[in-house]
Amino acid sequence: GAGVSQSPSNKVTEKGKDVELRCDPISGHTALYWYRQSLGQGLEFLIYFQGNSAPDKSGLPSDRFSAERTGGSVSTLTIQRTQQEDSAVYLCASGLAGGVDEQFFGPGTRLTVL
Amino acid sequence: KQEVTQIPAALSVPEGENLVLNCSFTDSAIYNLQWFRQDPGKGLTSLLLIQSSQREQTSGRLNASLDKSSGRSTLYIAASQPGDSATYLCAVWNYGQNFVFGPGTRLSVLP
Repeated sequence: GAGVSQSPSNKVTEKGKDVELRCDPISGHTALYWYRQSLGQGLEFLIYFQGNSAPDKSGLPSDRFSAERTGGSVSTLTIQRTQQEDSAVYLCASGLAGGVDEQFFGPGTRLTVL
Repeated sequence: KQEVTQIPAALSVPEGENLVLNCSFTDSAIYNLQWFRQDPGKGLTSLLLIQSSQREQTSGRLNASLDKSSGRSTLYIAASQPGDSATYLCAVWNYGQNFVFGPGTRLSVLP
């Protein structure tokens, strides 16, 4: 596609349920980033993938969060046993080279945990 | 730990004015600095990327400068237009391979 796409655009879930968020980067982009933007808060960096290298997971807020990237393309961010504080907009971005090149952002997934 | 701040938090100007947005960071060990704009309910759009070895970048009416040693960057917007109204974010990419964003400056350009 022409840009980064994310699905679903909105997700409402009950506390304790697991959710999976998907990101389709721009074709050919080797770098992929996940961010979280809570209401009234700034952007929080979660995790970054560069090619097939193992990502640095230290930015993930808890062990309930995990992310993977299959085949160097599509990425999924999984949140297990969701909590109300997980409610936020989750943004994905991709780029040509990790950190040193421009990032292109998707529209985000708005997650609401009831 | 890298911290990024932006001032002012909000700014309202009449159309046609030139304006400057400020970004400061505490750790100068960065690869680059990026400026983004975020429109309400939408994702981010990259405006300018300045590598750590560069002093400034220009795109149209936008000019961004970087003084890495002092931990500062400015975004200059010339001849502002109502369409420039958005939240402007700066972010630094650290040697530790993570991005840190500032809280943003909310800009309103009044017609």
